[in-house]
Amino acid sequence: EPEVTQTPSHQVTQMGQEVILRCVPISNHLYFYWYRQILGQKVEFLVSFYNNEISEKSEIFDDQFSVERPDGSNFTLKIRSTKLEDSAMYFCASREVPGGNEQFFGPGTRLTVL
Amino acid sequence: GIQVEQSPPDLILQEGANSTLRCNFSDSVNNLQWFHQNPWGQLINLFYIPSGTKQNGRLSATTVATERYSLLYISSSQTTDSGVYFCAVGNGYSTLTFGKGTMLLVSP
Repeated sequence: EPEVTQTPSHQVTQMGQEVILRCVPISNHLYFYWYRQILGQKVEFLVSFYNNEISEKSEIFDDQFSVERPDGSNFTLKIRSTKLEDSAMYFCASREVPGGNEQFFGPGTRLTVL
Repeated sequence: GIQVEQSPPDLILQEGANSTLRCNFSDSVNNLQWFHQNPWGQLINLFYIPSGTKQNGRLSATTVATERYSLLYISSSQTTDSGVYFCAVGNGYSTLTFGKGTMLLVSP
């Protein structure tokens, strides 16, 4: 069964460093999402991406964040200058368009900012 | 935006017991998903159930969209069922809004 994959599974970085989180969505899916979950809290929406552009973003998704689909398979989230409060679990999701509304989630990347 | 409330916030069960988790939402939706977050933090997709009833082994779910709630049933619980259960809802092509989750602990 096809699945969303994410790399790395765990990333440790120093405050102020740039990080890139990578996702490979399901191959025939065209709508992509990033969510994050701070430890002990609920999952929150960051950004959605369709047709090579951002379709919606939350207040959390400020100028420090950017997303890109650099090729036909990868979908990346870049944090330019990490802060301590960026420490969280980051989930990528994808959805088939058209088709259903179900979103398929990857296993997540745990980001730790020291 | 849509508000999602899950109850109970915490639940402790003996192995073999049954349980019902509830998700209430504030607006009409056409996407509702239940997830189980395992101890490693991974979100495991349990059900896509914007309406109706589905069953998968010991788990089943029912969504009554007109009354804006969904129920997740766990029967004959096992210690591996422990973790946090999230309900998430959405409208159209929009994002998912998650509830705060129900933390389930199943003791042997």
